[in-house]
Amino acid sequence: RKEVEQDPGPFNVPEGATVAFNCTYSNSASQSFFWYRQDCRKEPKLLMSVYSSGNEDGRFTAQLNRASQYISLLIRDSKLSDSATYLCVVNAQKSSGDKLTFGTGTRLAVRP
Amino acid sequence: DAGVTQSPTHLIKTRGQQVTLRCSPKSGHDTVSWYQQALGQGPQFIFQYYEEEERQRGNFPDRFSGHQFPNYSSELNVNALLLGDSALYLCASSSIELQLLVPGELFFGEGSRLTVL
Repeated sequence: RKEVEQDPGPFNVPEGATVAFNCTYSNSASQSFFWYRQDCRKEPKLLMSVYSSGNEDGRFTAQLNRASQYISLLIRDSKLSDSATYLCVVNAQKSSGDKLTFGTGTRLAVRP
Repeated sequence: DAGVTQSPTHLIKTRGQQVTLRCSPKSGHDTVSWYQQALGQGPQFIFQYYEEEERQRGNFPDRFSGHQFPNYSSELNVNALLLGDSALYLCASSSIELQLLVPGELFFGEGSRLTVL
């Protein structure tokens, strides 16, 4: 079983749609959780951290369910510029170590 | 303020050859991590360097080795190249201080795309 599992997609949605991505992780000792965004043939960039209480950044909402080992990302009012691959990322390190485990990524294509 | 820079951007090698990839971290960062990203996959952790020492290592064979220099720049060396080593090699930098503030935020370079024929 992969440490971090995601539906690879692609998700094809019209502009303005709401889309949700899910991710599960296998290591119950995982300490911190993130969503990274990777544009085609570019480097990954941190989109947002994910907290148990849920957190929101504009049109983006991330949620963590530790009991189910499940992470989600909700994008509201999709824009063409949201088209990218969204990587679910887990850090099992309790210390400040940053050995990140990435999922395969979920590809999003927003159409006009 | 320059971000993470990597060189070369693209290279082609044949099986059995050796390759060296280079990385300069973002200004103020002292920790460098290397990741391998195969086509259609997420980045896989290779190893991390801090204070010129390998601090952590992922599940990669000894053919993969690295080095960090006093100026925090780093090299990734891969010996006896296999076809399966074809991938995008990403360097990411951070600092201990930054990790305390924003755990998990790494700054990636644009990568070195290696093709092994």
